[in-house]
Amino acid sequence: AQSVTQLGSHVSVSEGALVLLRCNYSSSVPPYLFWYVQYPNQGLQLLLKYTSAATLVKGINGFEAEFKKSETSFHLTKPSAHMSDAAEYFCAVSSNTGKLIFGQGTTLQVKP
Amino acid sequence: DVKVTQSSRYLVKRTGEKVFLECVQDMDHENMFWYRQDPGLGLRLIYFSYDVKMKEKGDIPEGYSVSREKKERFSLILESASTNQTSMYLCASSRPATGDNQPQHFGDGTRLSIL
Repeated sequence: AQSVTQLGSHVSVSEGALVLLRCNYSSSVPPYLFWYVQYPNQGLQLLLKYTSAATLVKGINGFEAEFKKSETSFHLTKPSAHMSDAAEYFCAVSSNTGKLIFGQGTTLQVKP
Repeated sequence: DVKVTQSSRYLVKRTGEKVFLECVQDMDHENMFWYRQDPGLGLRLIYFSYDVKMKEKGDIPEGYSVSREKKERFSLILESASTNQTSMYLCASSRPATGDNQPQHFGDGTRLSIL
């Protein structure tokens, strides 16, 4: 069975600081991994996806994630946080069925 | 851009009512999904569909049913609404899973309150 664990339900950073949101997965098959962002009162928007072509994946809004098979991790980073990055972030894993398994989400707070 | 449209952003219903949540996508996607989102629990899959008139149960199907009569439309039905079904409901669609797995595209959600 596949599962996703996001470490930290709330992360707070100062504007301009590094953003690091942690995601660990469990999968018996090569995983497809995704990061989504949800702004208040909106649906989920795809940030980036890993599909085995490269271990470092670049997404929208300056975010990137690195796939580390040995650590079963797919952490999301951004070098410099902006106020507009405040949102909830979800990591998800999928098999070839097309179904997604989501983590519980991490709320990112950006302080001025 | 893919557009997934949910018919209502906010909905208030009473216990025992039959409730319909509608979702339409404009990208000719085969797959459609219904999730509910609750604080601290992330997104949980209720039902999904890989094709017209086809449906499969997700992780929490109890108390819900679905209908997919046309490819672009996927309806979620609460047969007899209860207060524990108060939640945010999200619809999503995607192309079939392939070697390059397809992401799901989400609507803006329906916040449903059952009184």
